[in-house]
Amino acid sequence: SQKIEQNSEALNIQEGKTATLTCNYTNYSPAYLQWYRQDPGRGPVFLLLIRENEKEKRKERLKVTFDTTLKQSLFHITASQPADSATYLCALKGDDKIIFGKGTRLHILP
Amino acid sequence: DTGVSQDPRHKITKRGQNVTFRCDPISEHNRLYWYRQTLGQGPEFLTYFQNEAQLEKSRLLSDRFSAERPKGSFSTLEIQRTEQGDSAMYLCASSLGDLRGETQYFGPGTRLLVL
Repeated sequence: SQKIEQNSEALNIQEGKTATLTCNYTNYSPAYLQWYRQDPGRGPVFLLLIRENEKEKRKERLKVTFDTTLKQSLFHITASQPADSATYLCALKGDDKIIFGKGTRLHILP
Repeated sequence: DTGVSQDPRHKITKRGQNVTFRCDPISEHNRLYWYRQTLGQGPEFLTYFQNEAQLEKSRLLSDRFSAERPKGSFSTLEIQRTEQGDSAMYLCASSLGDLRGETQYFGPGTRLLVL
């Protein structure tokens, strides 16, 4: 069956360190993969998109990698700040719609 | 504000009542999505529209759920005979439907509580 898996447990990272979140998927061949940020009580906000022919994408302190052989994407936040604390959702293009993972809660500790 | 808006933001209803939610997408976006999200889960796809045409409905969407986008602009999601299991955040998103990469812009959601 098709699955998208993200760390279900919260991730605690010390301020200033790099946070790395993982998204694994099975039985998909997505044309692209996206990462969204969601704060409590709010809708998700788009952060980055990476296509199947791209290995890495960067935006300011954010970096995303995409390994279609491993069926995995890694999302990195460098020089993390308490304001980066949120839930981060991985989403991929499945058939004709976008499918979301459950998200990983990230806590940046001051 | 030219983002996606949803109304109401919160709704409390009694089991068995009907509820209707509205979504106003970003004006030039031709795709509109509805999702349901419960605590600790990611958004779960319900249905989507390309202009006024409803192109796909999730198998999870029972007959009690119906959505419309009559003029290809705003959309409504109606839940008939609500059940306690319908309690969730209902999210609307819109996009340009660009096959090169579809960025979805989400509204703030409508939080439904069925008593």
